Amino acid sequence: AQSVTQPDIHITVSEGASLELRCNYSYGATPYLFWYVQSPGQGLQLLLKYFSGDTLVQGIKGFEAEFKRSQSSFNLRKPSVHWSDAAEYFCAVGGLSGGYNKLIFGAGTRLAVHP
Amino acid sequence: NAGVMQNPRHLVRRRGQEARLRCSPMKGHSHVYWYRQLPEEGLKFMVYLQKENIIDESGMPKERFSAEFPKEGPSILRIQQVVRGDSAAYFCASSPPGPGGTEAFFGQGTRLTVV
Repeated sequence: AQSVTQPDIHITVSEGASLELRCNYSYGATPYLFWYVQSPGQGLQLLLKYFSGDTLVQGIKGFEAEFKRSQSSFNLRKPSVHWSDAAEYFCAVGGLSGGYNKLIFGAGTRLAVHP
Repeated sequence: NAGVMQNPRHLVRRRGQEARLRCSPMKGHSHVYWYRQLPEEGLKFMVYLQKENIIDESGMPKERFSAEFPKEGPSILRIQQVVRGDSAAYFCASSPPGPGGTEAFFGQGTRLTVV
């Protein structure tokens, strides 16, 4: 069965430090891959997505992610974290069902940012 | 173009009552998805609908839950005879017609509390 694993439940970084959030997926083929961010009490906002082509994907708010087929990973990175980046981050896989975007989400990583 | 609108934002129901959650997709979107987020967990797919059709309800509990997306009006997720375990955030997402990787836009969710 398809699954998404985010190994880190909580991460704390200092403002200005670099960030990497891990995501591993289990799927026979290459799925569509997504990162979403959720602020407290809010819905989900898409940060970036990967369908095919260049394995390094640029997103909004200075985020990027790299697809590594050999490791079944799609880690999210940001070179310098801002206090406003404190939120919960979800990795998801999609494109598993023909013609529609049913998503399977990881359990999320909660990011705290120290001043 | 307004985003995906969900109402109510917060809903309190007593055990045994019915809960009705509404979702108006973005203009031009004919695909609607419902997801449930239990506390401290990621989102879980419940159902995918197009106008007047349920396409995939593989994530819906077999009893008490139903969904519809009529020709006119919002999509409705209905929970009959609610129990404490139904307390969760319910998110709706919509997308235009397109391949499996077409981005889905999320609403801000309805937070259901069963007392």
